Amino acid sequence: KAGVTQTPRYLIKTRGQQVTLSCSPISGHRSVSWYQQTPGQGLQFLFEYFSETQRNKGNFPGRFSGRQFSNSRSEMNVSTLELGDSALYLCASSFRSQGWGNEQFFGPGTRLTVL
Amino acid sequence: GENVEQHPSTLSVQEGDSAVIKCTYSDSASNYFPWYKQELGKRPQLIIDIRSNVGEKKDQRIAVTLNKTAKHFSLHITETQPEDSAVYFCAASLIQGAQKLVFGQGTRLTINP
Repeated sequence: KAGVTQTPRYLIKTRGQQVTLSCSPISGHRSVSWYQQTPGQGLQFLFEYFSETQRNKGNFPGRFSGRQFSNSRSEMNVSTLELGDSALYLCASSFRSQGWGNEQFFGPGTRLTVL
Repeated sequence: GENVEQHPSTLSVQEGDSAVIKCTYSDSASNYFPWYKQELGKRPQLIIDIRSNVGEKKDQRIAVTLNKTAKHFSLHITETQPEDSAVYFCAASLIQGAQKLVFGQGTRLTINP
């Protein structure tokens, strides 16, 4: 079974621009969560999508948004980029069942650098 | 608010010795506690997880213990090997059925030969 894939792997943008990152989950997984990883803040939850609906959202400004398509692929968008948005953005997919957390499988991440 | 604290931030042990990493969580509703290992430049990978209905789980050299009353859980690695060197993250799931993990700050484990 193919793992979680993310594109692009690396991005360089300038302040004020916007960026779209893509995540393809493991086949059969319908939940996709996004995380931001930085040396200072560690791994922080951005949001989760399941069945094309945002189910949870972390404490990030509205510049961070996402969506999920009917094939479970997900995109996240960051508008009006700031220097502090430079980070590794990881997505994770899981099967998701009622009542319990399920193992999340991480993608390789997209390294975003904002200049 | 939701919070997971992890200690220590760095840990250095001799090859063959044991390593212990501890985490505490703030929300008693948490019911799922995974541990991830992240090697330099690679994605986090699950090494073991535990659900709130059990107190201990073991997988070869790795074990996790959970104390719900004290709201803390620990990772134990025995007979450490150089390939165990990595950053380890604990996490907690704070919403039933959801896929939102709150992570600890990570522990950089170094195994000295």
